[in-house]
Order: sequence, then structure tokens, then C-alpha cells
Amino acid sequence: DAGVTQSPTHLIKTRGQQVTLRCSPKSGHDTVSWYQQALGQGPQFIFQYYEEEERQRGNFPDRFSGHQFPNYSSELNVNALLLGDSALYLCASSLARDRGGNEKLFFGSGTQLSVL
Amino acid sequence: GENVEQHPSTLSVQEGDSAVIKCTYSDSASNYFPWYKQELGKRPQLIIDIRSNVGEKKDQRIAVTLNKTAKHFSLHITETQPEDSAVYFCAASIDQAGTALIFGKGTTLSVSS
Repeated sequence: DAGVTQSPTHLIKTRGQQVTLRCSPKSGHDTVSWYQQALGQGPQFIFQYYEEEERQRGNFPDRFSGHQFPNYSSELNVNALLLGDSALYLCASSLARDRGGNEKLFFGSGTQLSVL
Repeated sequence: GENVEQHPSTLSVQEGDSAVIKCTYSDSASNYFPWYKQELGKRPQLIIDIRSNVGEKKDQRIAVTLNKTAKHFSLHITETQPEDSAVYFCAASIDQAGTALIFGKGTTLSVSS
């Protein structure tokens, strides 16, 4: 049973460029959340997608946008990259109507984005 | 919005000692509080969680306590082992499902043998 898979694992961009990160949720999950983890910090909630719509959003500018596809996979897009966008971007999946189980939110290993 | 404060930022203990990490949250509407362990270069993994209708939960050497009135919760690890060395994050949910989380800044736990 595959867990959450993210691609690419590493990415280098320059300021002003645009980037797209991809995520496939754990089998059976229908909700995808994106988090940004700067070095030495805790993950910060960017937004969450369910039924192909953004359901909840954290305190991130409009440069951060996303999409969810009918197969539940998701993309995170960041426009006009800034040096401060350098971070590990974590995707996490869950089941909207979870009825139990030990782990509600299952994280992928992340995409390390470096902005030069 | 929700804000989660976590202390200490670093914690060093001897093998076999206990370790305690404390967190406070600001939004009384939060009702789900997970703890994650993250080893270097790896994904965060849930180690224990607690809902607001429970005051304490234990799983072998790990326990979490919640004081909803004071809006703080703590992670307790007993009989620490070197493999417990990692960064630990507390979090509070801002949704009913417990999947939109606000994290603390983390505690780096070092267990020396």
C-alpha cells in the first residue's frame, strides 16, 4: 500500500520563477493538505483540498495556489518565487469521513525547494 | 487565529530519564491535539494524539495530558532511549476533522547513552 508520494524530491529555482509541486495521496484518502516547513521550524498550514475545491486556507499569499484532480491527486503552485519560499513542502492526505484509526493525517516525505 | 507555543526548543536527557515537552494554544475552539516525531530528513509521524474531551492518554512509554481550561498540553516520554532522539512537534487543529493543523516550532530531543 503506497503512502503519500510527492514529486520532485528536490527542486532549484530562481527568484521570480514559478514552480509546481505534485502529490498523490495515500490509497483510499480523498483530502490533501499542503504544509510549508522552513528549516528549523514546524510545518505551516498552506491549504487543504477536498472534492477538488479549496476547503481551508492558512495565512499564505495568493501567490500560493493549488488544485485537486478527480483522482484526488493535487498540485501546489507558487508564483513569483521569493528567497523566503525556500523550504520543505509537505503534502499530507486524509479521509474526510474517517471513522477511526491511529493516523488521521499521513505525511509524504516532501519536496525540498531552494530559491536562489 | 490559532497560535501554538512549544517549550523547550531543545532538551537533552540521559538514557532512562523522562522527558517533558509543553505546549500552549490560543483558540479554545481547537479540539484535537496531535504530537509528531520527525527524524532528520524524514516525514513527520504521529506518535500520540488527544481530543479535548479527554484529559490524559497513554501509549506504552508515551503519554499526553491536556488541560483545556488552561489551554495547554504536554508530552511525557518515560524511560527514554537513544532512538527517541528526534524533533517533536505539537499541534492543534483548526478544523473538526483534525487535518488542518497549526504546529509549534518543535523541540529537539537528544538522548545520550
